[in-house]
Amino acid sequence: NAGVMQNPRHLVRRRGQEARLRCSPMKGHSHVYWYRQLPEEGLKFMVYLQKENIIDESGMPKERFSAEFPKEGPSILRIQQVVRGDSAAYFCASSYDSYNEKLFFGSGTQLSVL
Amino acid sequence: AQTVTQSQPEMSVQEAETVTLSCTYDTSESDYYLFWYKQPPSRQMILVIRQEAYKQQNATENRFSVNFQKAAKSFSLKISDSQLGDAAMYFCAFITGTASKLTFGTGTRLQVTL
Repeated sequence: NAGVMQNPRHLVRRRGQEARLRCSPMKGHSHVYWYRQLPEEGLKFMVYLQKENIIDESGMPKERFSAEFPKEGPSILRIQQVVRGDSAAYFCASSYDSYNEKLFFGSGTQLSVL
Repeated sequence: AQTVTQSQPEMSVQEAETVTLSCTYDTSESDYYLFWYKQPPSRQMILVIRQEAYKQQNATENRFSVNFQKAAKSFSLKISDSQLGDAAMYFCAFITGTASKLTFGTGTRLQVTL
């Protein structure tokens, strides 16, 4: 009964490269949420997805960031042309339904941009 | 705007003693849930306790309990009989019934000393 799985755990990229962060929700969960945690701060909501649909992307930067949750496979958070300010921990959470007071979090991906 | 304020960046408690972490929030909604999450150095976000706003009774989970003051919009966490394993960052968060995202505070770093 695996929890929310995120990989990689650590990702190092040079400025201008692309970063792909993967999240496999808990078994049976079809709702996925991405949060970002900057150093010494709390988590900030980025995007909420259901299978094949983006429900709420109000926290996503307008450029360079995109997210998907295909019918098959993990959810992907993609950051193009990374900059140093993108360095952060990115967390994925999943829930069984849209009542997300029962969220389960992954261990996060630490992105470091050199 | 919905906000969460944790006014104590750091707290320290002796093993076996009791400590209270404070949290205030602001929302115009009447239907919401409140949470305390623990984040140890492993970075995993662990749900400690949750409270439904419509419930007057304070939630309790073993050594963890909350003091929920709805009128004052206050949601403090009490840790009794503190243990070394309680040392971590603690985040207060809430979600409203109409929203799809958790709003987090900036966290309180708890140290537990011998």
